[in-house]
Amino acid sequence: GNSVTQMEGPVTLSEEAFLTINCTYTATGYPSLFWYVQYPGEGLQLLLKATKADDKGSNKGFEATYRKETTSFHLEKGSVQVSDSAVYFCALSDRIFGGKLIFGQGTELSVKP
Amino acid sequence: NAGVTQTPKFQVLKTGQSMTLQCAQDMNHEYMSWYRQDPGMGLRLIHYSVGAGITDQGEVPNGYNVSRSTTEDFPLRLLSAAPSQTSVYFCASSPQGYTEAFFGQGTRLTVV
Repeated sequence: GNSVTQMEGPVTLSEEAFLTINCTYTATGYPSLFWYVQYPGEGLQLLLKATKADDKGSNKGFEATYRKETTSFHLEKGSVQVSDSAVYFCALSDRIFGGKLIFGQGTELSVKP
Repeated sequence: NAGVTQTPKFQVLKTGQSMTLQCAQDMNHEYMSWYRQDPGMGLRLIHYSVGAGITDQGEVPNGYNVSRSTTEDFPLRLLSAAPSQTSVYFCASSPQGYTEAFFGQGTRLTVV
């Protein structure tokens, strides 16, 4: 079945450091891929998405590219801020069996000033 | 600008009690779903619906019931609460099955 594997956390970085959170997936067909962010005590918010191979999603300085050849969707940001401290989830949605998201286990990011 | 609204935000139940977690969306989305979030396990799908009158089981459906009588509402029922159901529950909706989902703020449930 479909699955998502994320880099283990927690991750601690200094402000202005480069961030990479790895995400790989297993899926039949051509899923849509997402990164969601969860700030403390809140629900999940969509950070960025990509719906086909080689698409690049971007938002708030974060980027991720849909790589079908490596089944990956790694999240990157060139310079993190303290306000980026949150839990990040990679997820996929099957185009055929829609209506449900498959999530990775989440990666907690803590950015220190 | 309500989006997805969940009630209550917090709840404590005794083992064996039943309750309903409410979820409503005002975006006219066809797809709605319930997830539970447990530490180190991400979010796992409990039940989902692809339209009014149509529901299906997700990854962890045991102990939960759902129904979808209107497009707007998708309540989740715990039939006989167990400590293993202590979790944070999220409701989500999406306009199509493969597009992004919009999440509620969550319900933190503790079963003692």
